[in-house]
Amino acid sequence: NAGVTQTPKFRILKIGQSMTLQCTQDMNHNYMYWYRQDPGMGLKLIYYSVGAGITDKGEVPNGYNVSRSTTEDFPLRLELAAPSQTSVYFCASSYQGNTIYFGEGSWLTVV
Amino acid sequence: AQTVTQSQPEMSVQEAETVTLSCTYDTSESDYYLFWYKQPPSRQMILVIRQEAYKQQNATENRFSVNFQKAAKSFSLKISDSQLGDAAMYFCALMEYGNKLVFGAGTILRVKS
Repeated sequence: NAGVTQTPKFRILKIGQSMTLQCTQDMNHNYMYWYRQDPGMGLKLIYYSVGAGITDKGEVPNGYNVSRSTTEDFPLRLELAAPSQTSVYFCASSYQGNTIYFGEGSWLTVV
Repeated sequence: AQTVTQSQPEMSVQEAETVTLSCTYDTSESDYYLFWYKQPPSRQMILVIRQEAYKQQNATENRFSVNFQKAAKSFSLKISDSQLGDAAMYFCALMEYGNKLVFGAGTILRVKS
């Protein structure tokens, strides 16, 4: 049972580039989330989804896009990367809003 | 709107001693979940303990227990017999039923040998 899998684990982007962080879960969870964590800070919600075809904004959605075409996958798209998006990104999932399971994180640096 | 406040940026405890981490929250709902997560330097998010608001009994997991005061909207974590491996960042989090998880700013716990 793989749980929540994020790729890539590390990435360096140049300013203005775009990329997609992949997230997949094999627990048949309906809820999925993307958080970012800046150094020394708590996690802030970027986007979340309560099921396939449904997404909603969190606290800090600007500069990001998501889609949820399947129950398993919830990719996060960064358009026109900026230094302010340098952070650790966590994907997470849960069933019916119950206990949330996190991926191992993706370290992104924008230079 | 949901908010979670951890007023202690950093705490220290002697090995084998007991420490309590504070958390207060705000919600307009009567049914919700509360969590404590541990984050070691690896940044992995590890669930420590979970409390359902409709349950009056405080949750316990081995050396970890909570003091859940629903009326006061308080949810503190007590770590007994502290071990070096307990050193980490601890996050308190709130989830309203069917909604998103909101985190506090975290408390760094240092364990002295």
